[in-house]
Amino acid sequence: DAGVIQSPRHEVTEMGQEVTLRCKPISGHNSLFWYRQTMMRGLELLIYFNNNVPIDDSGMPEDRFSAKMPNASFSTLKIQPSEPRDSAVYFCASSRGQGISGNTIYFGEGSWLTVV
Amino acid sequence: QKEVEQNSGPLSVPEGAIASLNCTYSDRGSQSFFWYRQYSGKSPELIMFIYSNGDKEDGRFTAQLNKASQYVSLLIRDSQPSDSATYLCAAWTGTYKYIFGTGTRLKVLA
Repeated sequence: DAGVIQSPRHEVTEMGQEVTLRCKPISGHNSLFWYRQTMMRGLELLIYFNNNVPIDDSGMPEDRFSAKMPNASFSTLKIQPSEPRDSAVYFCASSRGQGISGNTIYFGEGSWLTVV
Repeated sequence: QKEVEQNSGPLSVPEGAIASLNCTYSDRGSQSFFWYRQYSGKSPELIMFIYSNGDKEDGRFTAQLNKASQYVSLLIRDSQPSDSATYLCAAWTGTYKYIFGTGTRLKVLA
């Protein structure tokens, strides 16, 4: 089975530019998560979607961050304008969302963002 | 604030030894616990999960859960250099919330 697919894998951009990260969850999974990982703060949940609906976006750092899930197989995380402190690895993850074993989350390979 | 605590390490063990990784959690409502392995520059990958008190074995890995003490551990038997990675403990609180620890870095010395 195909896993969670993210793009781009690596992105280097200049401060002030818009960054769009993309994610395709595992087919049949109805829960999608965007995480950010840094050395200092570890894995932080940015936003959670269930059945394409944003349920919890309390982890989104500020208005510069936005996320959408227009359908069950695609989600985007956008940063506009980007700042150097946004440099991190952004992981998309998905789960079936049913029962204890169904709540196992599977991570994509991550998008490594550097803002200079 | 709900937390999952892990010693950041590094934990160094010789090849062939048992590596013991520990995790404590603050939310007594946590229902299940997950161990992920993350190699440098890679994404977290699931090793195993546990939700009942006691031990759960999967190959060289054994997860242990003690809900009274709010303690989770992962034992790796016959440690190999390829086990060198960061191990993340996560608590699932029964909704969609996973609380991740910051991970323990394991180094298996050949």
